[in-house]
Amino acid sequence: QQQVKQSPQSLIVQKGGISIINCAYENTAFDYFPWYQQFPGKGPALLIAIRPDVSEKKEGRFTISFNKSAKQFSLHIMDSQPGDSATYFCAAKSRSNDYKLSFGAGTTVTVRA
Amino acid sequence: GAVVSQHPSRVICKSGTSVKIECRSLDFQATTMFWYRQFPKQSLMLMATSNEGSKATYEQGVEKDKFLINHASLTLSTLTVTSAHPEDSSFYICSANQGGTEAFFGQGTRLTVV
Repeated sequence: QQQVKQSPQSLIVQKGGISIINCAYENTAFDYFPWYQQFPGKGPALLIAIRPDVSEKKEGRFTISFNKSAKQFSLHIMDSQPGDSATYFCAAKSRSNDYKLSFGAGTTVTVRA
Repeated sequence: GAVVSQHPSRVICKSGTSVKIECRSLDFQATTMFWYRQFPKQSLMLMATSNEGSKATYEQGVEKDKFLINHASLTLSTLTVTSAHPEDSSFYICSANQGGTEAFFGQGTRLTVV
């Protein structure tokens, strides 16, 4: 049973456009919500992360929006570039679960030039 | 950020043999490391949690005798796939926690069993 549900499975966006990926969770004990970027044949790399006491966090072209009451969070990639083409995973973890990461299913983003 | 090095990046082995994969935290001490398995176009599946100086904790459905984990020091954890079979072919990834919440991932190991 996947604790973090992620959508869409894939998306295609034009260069300069906005990519939006959504995630939802049920476990209210989650206290840390990272997003990872993975290129083919490579391990995931941390992109940006947020804690539930913050509603938004921005780092460069990447923004996380967090809605605690709805138990949802999303990643926005502004001004998408071809180099952003990768698979993105949302995740969540809690101190009470030994900080094990629960991953979403992943979203493959393709940025067309 | 902290660096986690995984070796080898690719390995091909014959069916019935064993393969060892190393995961090293290069610039920090990792009390906890995690091992994942990833099938093509799928998410990461946690296999086990490796704690320095103690036995690994395996997730439900993961054969501990098939996937041996040793966390001998604060910078090294190893995963040994014993008596490998073609169905064990997969992408194996480790991660290490520096003590806080942030996890740092290795570059992954592509195992092919022929």
